Amino acid sequence: NAGVTQTPKFQVLKTGQSMTLQCAQDMNHEYMSWYRQDPGMGLRLIHYSVGAGITDQGEVPNGYNVSRSTTEDFPLRLLSAAPSQTSVYFCASSYSIGSGANYEQYFGPGTRLTVT
Amino acid sequence: RKEVEQDPGPFNVPEGATVAFNCTYSNSASQSFFWYRQDCRKEPKLLMSVYSSGNEDGRFTAQLNRASQYISLLIRDSKLSDSATYLCVVNAYNNNDMRFGAGTRLTVKP
Repeated sequence: NAGVTQTPKFQVLKTGQSMTLQCAQDMNHEYMSWYRQDPGMGLRLIHYSVGAGITDQGEVPNGYNVSRSTTEDFPLRLLSAAPSQTSVYFCASSYSIGSGANYEQYFGPGTRLTVT
Repeated sequence: RKEVEQDPGPFNVPEGATVAFNCTYSNSASQSFFWYRQDCRKEPKLLMSVYSSGNEDGRFTAQLNRASQYISLLIRDSKLSDSATYLCVVNAYNNNDMRFGAGTRLTVKP
């Protein structure tokens, strides 16, 4: 059971390049999310998905696209990288652990992205 | 104003000390609350959920005060292995849209 996996672990991009960060989970979780973590800012939600075929914007969606064609995979696309997107990116999957909105999130190991 | 605010610390305490962290949140309609732990250059991991009546897990106690909109985490008998950043997390919109505090860094020293 691998949990949540992310590739690549590290990436350096030049301004204007595009790339896709991969995320996969093998726990059959309905919910998946992408966060970025910057010093002093905490994790901020970029996009999330409540199931295959359904995605929605989080707190900081600009410059990123997502799709969810399967339960397992939730790739994050940077269409035209900018230095402001230098960050650590975490993918998470979650399920409800009780009534209401009680979700436990499992995070991948992160992708460290630098845009020069 | 940030939706979830924490004292960034760092908190430097000796082994065996008791340490408490507070976290405030701005959305009074928030539904669920958590503490996560994040080790240096690692992913966050769930430490404990926070229930309305308060809850305890070994040396860790979490409390929720809805009226004042704050959450606390108490660590008793600190161990060296407790050194980490503790993240306060609030589900503000009842739809898996989690909001994270910036974290409180704890260092436990021998």
